[in-house]
Amino acid sequence: DAGITQSPRYKITETGRQVTLMCHQTWSHSYMFWYRQDLGHGLRLIYYSAAADITDKGEVPDGYVVSRSKTENFPLTLESATRSQTSVYFCASSELRVGTEAFFGQGTRLTVV
Amino acid sequence: SQQGEEDPQALSIQEGENATMNCSYKTSINNLQWYRQNSGRGLVHLILIRSNEREKHSGRLRVTLDTSKKSSSLLITASRAADTASYFCATDEGSARQLTFGSGTQLTVLP
Repeated sequence: DAGITQSPRYKITETGRQVTLMCHQTWSHSYMFWYRQDLGHGLRLIYYSAAADITDKGEVPDGYVVSRSKTENFPLTLESATRSQTSVYFCASSELRVGTEAFFGQGTRLTVV
Repeated sequence: SQQGEEDPQALSIQEGENATMNCSYKTSINNLQWYRQNSGRGLVHLILIRSNEREKHSGRLRVTLDTSKKSSSLLITASRAADTASYFCATDEGSARQLTFGSGTQLTVLP
């Protein structure tokens, strides 16, 4: 089925641990995005990618690392998780950077204890 | 930074009534989108309106855009319990070239 899938859906980790959130899309969209959603802040852009091996920072990139070796995958890594990174993370994809519909995954709820 | 701000933050109506949500933004935009998010789910695109458009319809949805007032409204007519969700506006600001989301309106439609 075409779509965008994230894994895991839920994750609890300890402060200081490395965590990787996975995102896979089947549309062959050029652009992929990572957002975090926190109460009172809406969605904030962490990183985005225009194509394989092309990534760029968004509004809140500190503490996160991304890679995109294949068009369909865009993993997000928290190198040393902190409690402030407790959030719901959404991956999205679209044909263009802006001006077109973005398709979102179901989200990963991450809790850092 | 938050470009769009939705108003009200929460709205509760009876099934069959119309629901209106507003979005205000600060700088000039290329286009504005509305998304719906059901509890525990991802965002789903509803409608995109470009800066040179004033009104757009999609089924029971009607979106207006007033660039002079830097505001947009989303009207859901004849609401249903299934419309219960959070609604977000997202703006594409000319210089930033990224979608910036507001904090959303939580709509509850009572059966």
